[in-house]
Amino acid sequence: DIQMTQSPYSVSASVGDRVTITCRASQGISSWLAWYQQKPGKVPKLLIYAASSLKSGVPSRFSGSGSGTDFTLTISSLQPEDFATYYCQQASRYPVTFGGGTKVEIK
Amino acid sequence: EVQLVESGGGLVQPGGSLRLSCAASGFIFSDHYMDWVRQAPGKGLEWVGRIRKKGNSYTTEYAASVKGRFTISRDDSESSLCLQMNYLKTDDTAVYYCATVLSNQWLGYWGQGTLVTVSS
Repeated sequence: DIQMTQSPYSVSASVGDRVTITCRASQGISSWLAWYQQKPGKVPKLLIYAASSLKSGVPSRFSGSGSGTDFTLTISSLQPEDFATYYCQQASRYPVTFGGGTKVEIK
Repeated sequence: EVQLVESGGGLVQPGGSLRLSCAASGFIFSDHYMDWVRQAPGKGLEWVGRIRKKGNSYTTEYAASVKGRFTISRDDSESSLCLQMNYLKTDDTAVYYCATVLSNQWLGYWGQGTLVTVSS
């Protein structure tokens, strides 16, 4: 199975900060990567797919980059509604696997 | 508007069975692969399995942790998805979500989830 490792485990940031989350795959996955946001008590929501494509309706302050084994999710200017847990997911091979999550907390 | 509504969760003893359902609306169900994903209390997301569409012979994929115990099926005429869970273990305790698969890769829309608790 392809292991997805996210870092950091959690990040404390202020409104307006730039936040970067990384995701590393245990083997190359080309651009077969998505990012999801999950707020407490809520359902996960697709933000980015194919490593860098923004899902329709997702604010442009979210961006994704990377290919192969190393990927990043960047929030350019953190907003109050962005405090949540973020997960990466690989779609290169079965089984589909998720990273362990990164919690973005209020500083 | 895409809607996915899971049902069938509850308390079950170890070794028991449970059948979850997911009612879909607001999109052409038969055109999409569908997934089940679960989340244990306070934990991350774990993919359970996938069923492809008719054009791909409704074939399925499963996580190793559930293979041989869980079965995914679908009824395109009813726009419904099912997860039959047998030989349940305490580790299967989780909220179970159904999700649409966009472009055969990405989990585009998720239901609200249904809680399955496996305990004696």
